[in-house]
Amino acid sequence: GAGVSQSPRYKVAKRGQDVALRCDPISGHVSLFWYQQALGQGPEFLTYFQNEAQLDKSGLPSDRFFAERPEGSVSTLKIQRTQQEDSAVYLCASSFPAEEAFFGQGTRLTVV
Amino acid sequence: AQSVSQHNHHVILSEAASLELGCNYSYGGTVNLFWYVQYPGQHLQLLLKYFSGDPLVKGIKGFEAEFIKSKFSFNLRKPSVQWSDTAEYFCAVIAYSSASKIIFGSGTRLSIRP
Repeated sequence: GAGVSQSPRYKVAKRGQDVALRCDPISGHVSLFWYQQALGQGPEFLTYFQNEAQLDKSGLPSDRFFAERPEGSVSTLKIQRTQQEDSAVYLCASSFPAEEAFFGQGTRLTVV
Repeated sequence: AQSVSQHNHHVILSEAASLELGCNYSYGGTVNLFWYVQYPGQHLQLLLKYFSGDPLVKGIKGFEAEFIKSKFSFNLRKPSVQWSDTAEYFCAVIAYSSASKIIFGSGTRLSIRP
C-alpha cells in the first residue's frame, strides 16, 4: 500500500493477557519507529529500527515490551502480561534515515 | 537528553485570527525540525520541515515556521486561521547524534471558533 498500515486498529485486552501489534511500513523505508501516545499527550518514543537492526530501545517502559523486525520490513510490537497503564495508542512510523516520518493510524489498546 | 517544549497546551482563536504556536528544543548540535498535525480521528501528518537553508519554511495549508538557532526555537505561524485548522499540533526534532530518533513535544490543541 501507499502508506503505513497498522493492525489491529483497536484491541481490548484483559489484564495479564499478551498482545501483538503489527506495522507494515512504506515499501523501501529503512527506518521504523514505534511510539506510545497517551490521551492528550505527544507521542513518546519507544524503539527504532534501521532495517532489521534495533538501534535504540531506550523508550521501552519495561521488559514486558518487545519489538522485532526480522526481515527489515514488517514489525511487531509485543506486550506481555498487559497492565492497565499500557492502555494507549501505539503509533508506527517509517522513513528514510533523518527524513520526515510517515505515520500509521495507530492501534488503540485498552486493557481492562 | 534532547527534549521539545510546547508551552501552549490549548489555544482558542476565532476564524481569521493570526496564529503563532511556540516550540523550543534543547540540543546544541545539528537538528532537523518538523511540525506535524493531527486532525480529529486522523493520523499524524507532516505540515512542514526544516533541514537546512532558508530558516523561514513554508508548509501546506498556508502554515509557515521560522527556525531561530540562537533561541533554539521553531515557532509555527499562520496569518489567518480557518475553522478547518482545528487540530492537535506537534513540534518534533531529530538530533543527528541520536541515530535519527524523532522526539515530539507534548502538543498544542488548537480550537477555532466559527
